[in-house]
This record gives sequence, structure tokens and C-alpha cells, in this order.
Amino acid sequence: GAVVSQHPSRVICKSGTSVKIECRSLDFQATTMFWYRQFPKQSLMLMATSNEGSKATYEQGVEKDKFLINHASLTLSTLTVTSAHPEDSSFYICSAKEGLTSYEQYFGPGTRLTVT
Amino acid sequence: DAKTTQPPSMDCAEGRAANLPCNHSTISGNEYVYWYRQIHSQGPQYIIHGLKNNETNEMASLIITEDRKSSTLILPHATLRDTAVYYCIVRPEGYSGAGSYQLTFGKGTKLSVIP
Repeated sequence: GAVVSQHPSRVICKSGTSVKIECRSLDFQATTMFWYRQFPKQSLMLMATSNEGSKATYEQGVEKDKFLINHASLTLSTLTVTSAHPEDSSFYICSAKEGLTSYEQYFGPGTRLTVT
Repeated sequence: DAKTTQPPSMDCAEGRAANLPCNHSTISGNEYVYWYRQIHSQGPQYIIHGLKNNETNEMASLIITEDRKSSTLILPHATLRDTAVYYCIVRPEGYSGAGSYQLTFGKGTKLSVIP
């Protein structure tokens, strides 16, 4: 199947700093990418949907000014957590969908963010 | 609103078949049943999906009842590497307006394969 990578796999940052997480589709063009957050012992929660070349659509309760999403190319989307706080510590997972009619989503391996 | 109901946990002996049930009594005619699994600290992995016919691939079989209100994922010979949280998700196929293609994850079933 198609491969989606995330970088970094884990990151520790200090409170108040910003951290960027990259999501790449390695062998296909992803017109749509999704960002999820997963707290310990909980399920994945969709944060936002991004289509290449347009602004992301955020789910209710997700601050768009805090979680900046850029999907500037068909193979790369980035999530920047601005002014991170300990409560932002979580497992961030992206997924990517190929083409306009494809239904299949391919998930990245996730990024563990710890804010100290 | 939860569209699927799954038991929170199940155990299965290694080498035996694991049968994971899912109730989706409010499923619509254009909604497919998808199964994903998530091994600890990894991203979800697609397993299988179907509309109304039973499906089989190299990973698993999916049995959907005739009324489509429930389904069962079958791992024919469970191994220790199948220990994971299994998610049953219903979703329309194709574009159906805003929110299309999104996957809404419930709490899933934590399957523990025991040696």
C-alpha cells in the first residue's frame, strides 16, 4: 500500500515554543490530508482536513491560530503547534488521501509531542 | 454521535480465530463498513471494508449481516502481532458533501492475543 511518513517521530519542546510536524506522502499525490490528535487511552480525534492549495477546515473546538496547517504541495502537509503548552502534549497522526475520488486513507506513524 | 458499538476488550488465544463484533444499527444504504486497527503507539492500519457482501483479503474476513446492522471481523489465525485496538467505522463511499472521506473513530475493541 501507499506510504505516509511523519517527521519527527517524537519531539520534546519547552512551554511557549512552537513545533512543526511534517506529513509526507512518499509514493502518491495526496490531494487531501487529515490531522488527528490522540490523548493517552483515548481514540483518534480529527483536528482538521486540508486540501492542497487551500485553507484547512478545522473541527469544532480546534483553534486554527494555534494549530497552523499548511498543505502547499501534493506530497507535504505541515502542522505547527504554536506557543505549545503541556496540555498540547499528545500523539499527532496524519493521514493522506490520493486523488479526488479515492476513498482510501493512508496513515502516518504518528508524532509524539511532549511539552515540558 | 457514535454510529458503531464495539465491545471494549477481547482476548484470543494465539493461533485461534479472533471474531470481533460491531453493531451499526443506524447504517445508511450508501455507507460502507470499514475496519482499521492501531497497534500501540503507531498510526492506524487499514484492514478491510465492505458494503453488503462478505469480503476477504490477506489480513481478514468481513462478515456483514443481511440487514447490515452488524458485522464481524475475523482474523483466522491470530498471532501476538495482532494485539491492537480494532476500530469499526461506517462511512459513505465517495463524495457526499462537506466532511466526505472523514473517518470518525470510536473507542474500538482492544484485542489481546494471548500465548
